[in-house]
Amino acid sequence: AQSVTQPDIHITVSEGASLELRCNYSYGATPYLFWYVQSPGQGLQLLLKYFSGDTLVQGIKGFEAEFKRSQSSFNLRKPSVHWSDAAEYFCAVGARQAGTALIFGKGTTLSVSS
Amino acid sequence: GAGVSQTPSNKVTEKGKYVELRCDPISGHTALYWYRQSLGQGPEFLIYFQGTGAADDSGLPNDRFFAVRPEGSVSTLKIQRTERGDSAVYLCASSLGQPGTGELFFGEGSRLTVL
Repeated sequence: AQSVTQPDIHITVSEGASLELRCNYSYGATPYLFWYVQSPGQGLQLLLKYFSGDTLVQGIKGFEAEFKRSQSSFNLRKPSVHWSDAAEYFCAVGARQAGTALIFGKGTTLSVSS
Repeated sequence: GAGVSQTPSNKVTEKGKYVELRCDPISGHTALYWYRQSLGQGPEFLIYFQGTGAADDSGLPNDRFFAVRPEGSVSTLKIQRTERGDSAVYLCASSLGQPGTGELFFGEGSRLTVL
């Protein structure tokens, strides 16, 4: 069965600074990988996803993530953080076999300081 | 509707009571999922429907939890004999394709508090 680890529970970044949120997964083959964001009072929103091909994927709001098979990682990055990026971020993994739902990590809370 | 709709948004009940939570998915989405999110945790998978049938209910914690989707659209999550540990936000999501392959569209959740 697949699993996801987000090692950082809470990260604080200064506005305008770069951001990297870590995600490690466990799965026997190449998984489908996702990053979702959850802002207070709102539902989870998809930022980006990796299925195959180019290992660097671009998402919405200026986010990108890189799939590294050798490290079983899918870290989320943004070159310059805005105050509106403060939210909770979840990495999720999906198995390529049909009938298996997404498994989510425990999340990383991002705070942005001015 | 335009998005996934969940009702009620908040539900407070007493221990031992029965609760129903409703999810109205995006029109045309064949797959529907229920997740549970406790404070400080990520969404935890409960059950997934493809059409009217439960394709995977391995995440349901015990037999007090049950979900239906009789016409392949709206789904109801039913919790019997509620316990304080059932307090959480219950999230519903829908998608077009097979789970794990495409984007899930989430509702804003139903916050359940069991006193």
